[in-house]
Amino acid sequence: AQSVTQLDSQVPVFEEAPVELRCNYSSSVSVYLFWYVQYPNQGLQLLLKYLSGSTLVKGINGFEAEFNKSQTSFHLRKPSVHISDTAEYFCAVSDRIWGAQKLVFGQGTRLTINP
Amino acid sequence: DAGITQSPRHKVTETGTPVTLRCHQTENHRYMYWYRQDPGHGLRLIHYSYGVKDTDKGEVSDGYSVSRSKTEDFLLTLESATSSQTSVYFCAVGLAGGRGWDNEQFFGPGTRLTVL
Repeated sequence: AQSVTQLDSQVPVFEEAPVELRCNYSSSVSVYLFWYVQYPNQGLQLLLKYLSGSTLVKGINGFEAEFNKSQTSFHLRKPSVHISDTAEYFCAVSDRIWGAQKLVFGQGTRLTINP
Repeated sequence: DAGITQSPRHKVTETGTPVTLRCHQTENHRYMYWYRQDPGHGLRLIHYSYGVKDTDKGEVSDGYSVSRSKTEDFLLTLESATSSQTSVYFCAVGLAGGRGWDNEQFFGPGTRLTVL
């Protein structure tokens, strides 16, 4: 079965500092990776996804992630964070992207931006 | 927002009572999902549907049943609620992604359920 580990449950950073949220997944023949963001009292919103091709994936709100097959990682980065980035971030994996897609989520990382 | 609504948004109930949560979508999407969110566990798939009357179990289906009699509605039922089912429940629908053949999931606003 697929699994995802988010290595940090909480990450505090100062505004305008860079941030990296770490995600490791269990290896599989086919793997498709996603990052979702959850703002307080809201549902989840897709930030970015890796399906194939270039290992550097760019998403919304200035976020990007790099797929590293040898290290089974998919870390999320942003060069300069803003107060509005305060949220919980979830890494997820699926072994398929067509049909019914059963996402397996990590435990989440709470990103707190301090002024 | 993919036209997803969930009802109720908040519910408090007692152990042993039946509870039904509703997910409604307005855009005719084929795939629908129910997840629960708990601290330290992220989101976990309960059940999903790939069409009217076509459903299957997810990772944590024990104690839950689902029904989909119409494309737009996906119901999650707790036959006899327990305190361990206190959680936030999210519905999601599957949409075609940017490439047309890849699916993305869009999530509803969630239902906060407390079982006393």
